[in-house]
Amino acid sequence: DTAVSQTPKYLVTQMGNDKSIKCEQNLGHDTMYWYKQDSKKFLKIMFSYNNKELIINETVPNRFSPKSPDKAHLNLHINSLELGDSAVYFCASSLLPFATDTQYFGPGTRLTVL
Amino acid sequence: GDSVTQMEGPVTLSEEAFLTINCTYTATGYPSLFWYVQYPGEGLQLLLKATKADDKGSNKGFEATYRKETTSFHLEKGSVQVSDSAVYFCALSDPGGANSKLTFGKGITLSVRP
Repeated sequence: DTAVSQTPKYLVTQMGNDKSIKCEQNLGHDTMYWYKQDSKKFLKIMFSYNNKELIINETVPNRFSPKSPDKAHLNLHINSLELGDSAVYFCASSLLPFATDTQYFGPGTRLTVL
Repeated sequence: GDSVTQMEGPVTLSEEAFLTINCTYTATGYPSLFWYVQYPGEGLQLLLKATKADDKGSNKGFEATYRKETTSFHLEKGSVQVSDSAVYFCALSDPGGANSKLTFGKGITLSVRP
């Protein structure tokens, strides 16, 4: 009965590969997010979607492409992986698309690019 | 732009000690302020929040007061427990509408010894 789940939990891959991280929420929320946490633990928003529509797109390289097939899922596809992409990626969701609304986070996906 | 600064960690305390984790912010306008906590192996979860100056957020024995004059939102707890061991993130949200987003501080690891 996990609220926000991500797969995989760990991802180790070579530079230049393409990989995807999946996120699902069973809270009935309308808004979902992707965050990146770097090695110094800074957590920064990458994207947010509301009802499958993109509403926040921070300055993220276009190698990163989020896809929301329905309100309960927001996947992150990364092309041509680079060393600097190594980080922990968190998915989150909230009922409303306002930052004051409580966000519920998944457990994170640790991506290591070799 | 908006930013959040947290004190450097990690912090190690004995059980029943008093806890203060400092957080200051820089923002235009009147942000809402949050503390999120990440327990080992889990995603972040909201601990408490305050939406206007002088508001006090509280939850699970933790408190933080929104101080506009010092642009601070320090987290306190009178008597910590081993189960409080986690990473604590201070965050702010700009007052915008559907494009509003959370800006997080660096996160600080708290370890509580029995």
